[in-house]
Amino acid sequence: KAGVTQTPRYLIKTRGQQVTLSCSPISGHRSVSWYQQTPGQGLQFLFEYFSETQRNKGNFPGRFSGRQFSNSRSEMNVSTLELGDSALYLCASSLDPGPYTFGSGTRLTVV
Amino acid sequence: AQSVTQPDIHITVSEGASLELRCNYSYGATPYLFWYVQSPGQGLQLLLKYFSGDTLVQGIKGFEAEFKRSQSSFNLRKPSVHWSDAAEYFCAVGELIGGSNYKLTFGKGTLLTVNP
Repeated sequence: KAGVTQTPRYLIKTRGQQVTLSCSPISGHRSVSWYQQTPGQGLQFLFEYFSETQRNKGNFPGRFSGRQFSNSRSEMNVSTLELGDSALYLCASSLDPGPYTFGSGTRLTVV
Repeated sequence: AQSVTQPDIHITVSEGASLELRCNYSYGATPYLFWYVQSPGQGLQLLLKYFSGDTLVQGIKGFEAEFKRSQSSFNLRKPSVHWSDAAEYFCAVGELIGGSNYKLTFGKGTLLTVNP
């Protein structure tokens, strides 16, 4: 059974650019969540989607957005990148309810 | 708001020794509790979870955790540590945000080093 797949694994962007990260959940999982992991702030919740609807959002600026498609795949977008957006972005999926299974993450570096 | 405290930032143990990683949480209702492990450059792997029922929970890789409501704790234990257990460990509480849906709040993590 395939796990949660995140692409790309690594990304380098310049300040001011935008970026789109992709997440394919485990087959049958309809809930997808995104987390940001940094050395200073640790793991922080970004948002959660279920059946193409955002059900909850964390305390991040509007530059961070996401969406979910009918096949449950999800994307998150960060516009006007800042140096502080450098982080590991983790996607997780679950049956609803159920424990979350995490992907390996996308390492974003903003220069 | 819910919170999770992992008091130990870094723990070093010898291979074969026992291990206990501490976790304290703050949450108003009955919590969903989790332990995840992260190897360098990787995502998070679920070790075990507590939703309800028996307060001693068995997980993968020989780990177990005990939920103690009176102490607001969910400590992770392993009787004999292997070198491959070296990683960072995260405790998390799931906050219900509607129906059965929940979001995770993580502790800052405990880095485990295993000496040969």
